[in-house]
Amino acid sequence: KAGVTQTPRYLIKTRGQQVTLSCSPISGHRSVSWYQQTPGQGLQFLFEYFSETQRNKGNFPGRFSGRQFSNSRSEMNVSTLELGDSALYLCASSGRGSHNEQFFGPGTRLTVL
Amino acid sequence: KQEVTQIPAALSVPEGENLVLNCSFTDSAIYNLQWFRQDPGKGLTSLLLIQSSQREQTSGRLNASLDKSSGRSTLYIAASQPGDSATYLCAVWVRQGGSEKLVFGKGTKLTVNP
Repeated sequence: KAGVTQTPRYLIKTRGQQVTLSCSPISGHRSVSWYQQTPGQGLQFLFEYFSETQRNKGNFPGRFSGRQFSNSRSEMNVSTLELGDSALYLCASSGRGSHNEQFFGPGTRLTVL
Repeated sequence: KQEVTQIPAALSVPEGENLVLNCSFTDSAIYNLQWFRQDPGKGLTSLLLIQSSQREQTSGRLNASLDKSSGRSTLYIAASQPGDSATYLCAVWVRQGGSEKLVFGKGTKLTVNP
């Protein structure tokens, strides 16, 4: 069974630009969650989508948004990029939704210059 | 607000040693607890998931325990190997601010020396 895949793996953007990251969950999984990992703050929850609906949300500004498609693939968008958005963005999928075992992808390393 | 703490932040041991990693959380109202490992620049690999009603889980050389009342979990690694070198993270599923989410500790960086 293929694992969680994320594209692209690396991305360099400049301040003010926007970026879209993609995540394909494990086949059959309907829940996709997104996390931001930085050296200072560690891993922080962004949001979770289940059956195309945002079910849970962390404490991030509205510049961070996401969506999920009918095939469970998810995208995360960050608008008006700031230097502090530089991070490893991880997505995780789960077969049964909230508070069940999470399986993570390799991440997208975003650098904002 | 749930906070997860992992001590120590870093640990270096010789190969073959048995070791224990610690995780503590401030609010016992958790759904479950999950241990992960992360290799440098990579994603997270799930190691063990303990439901809130369970006391421990085992997988190979790994054993994780959970004491909800004291807000503690330990990850025991038997007969450590250089390949076990990684950062180990624990995380708890909680309900916070109207949402359910996974709250992570900052991790313990383990180095196993051959």
